[in-house]
Amino acid sequence: DVQMTQSPSNLAASPGESVSINCKASKSISKYLAWYQQKPGKANKLLIYSGSTLQSGTPSRFSGSGSGTDFTLTIRNLEPEDFGLYYCQQHNEYPPTFGAGTKLELK
Amino acid sequence: EVQLVESGGGLVQPGRSMKLSCAASGFTFNNYDMAWVCQAPKKGLEWVATISYDGSSTYYRDSVKGRFTISRDNAKSTLYLQMDSLRSEDTATYYCARRDWESYFDYWGQGVMVTVSS
Repeated sequence: DVQMTQSPSNLAASPGESVSINCKASKSISKYLAWYQQKPGKANKLLIYSGSTLQSGTPSRFSGSGSGTDFTLTIRNLEPEDFGLYYCQQHNEYPPTFGAGTKLELK
Repeated sequence: EVQLVESGGGLVQPGRSMKLSCAASGFTFNNYDMAWVCQAPKKGLEWVATISYDGSSTYYRDSVKGRFTISRDNAKSTLYLQMDSLRSEDTATYYCARRDWESYFDYWGQGVMVTVSS
């Protein structure tokens, strides 16, 4: 199985700041990396797929980059609703595997 | 609007069975593969199983093979997960998710909690 290593596990920031979350695959997954947001009481939300393609409805302050084994989710000009948990997932091969998550907290 | 609503969770004893359901609406259910993804308390997301749009193909993570069965009723737009021989390590929130053809999950339900304990 492809192991996904996410970093950092915790991140504190203030509204208006920019943050980056990293995801590293144990082998090349080409461009096939998705990012999800998880918030209490809400359904998990797909933000980005295929490394850099924004899902319909994802604000443009979110961006994804990378290919092969190294990927980054960047959130610019943080809004209050952006705080929560973020997960990466490789969608290159079976079984689909997720990173352990990054908790983005208000500083 | 796409909606996925899970039901059927609760407390169950080790070794017993439980069946989860996921009612889908807002899209043509029989056009999409569907999946179950779980999340143990305070842990990350873990894929459990996937079923093809017509039910002809199923895929499972190794730890549930032979114990869990994913199925679907396209006439009812409903996805199921039959869980047998439950273990304490199966304790988790189970999410129903729609699988895009490129294998990411574009819509999720809110999840249903399953607790396996005596």
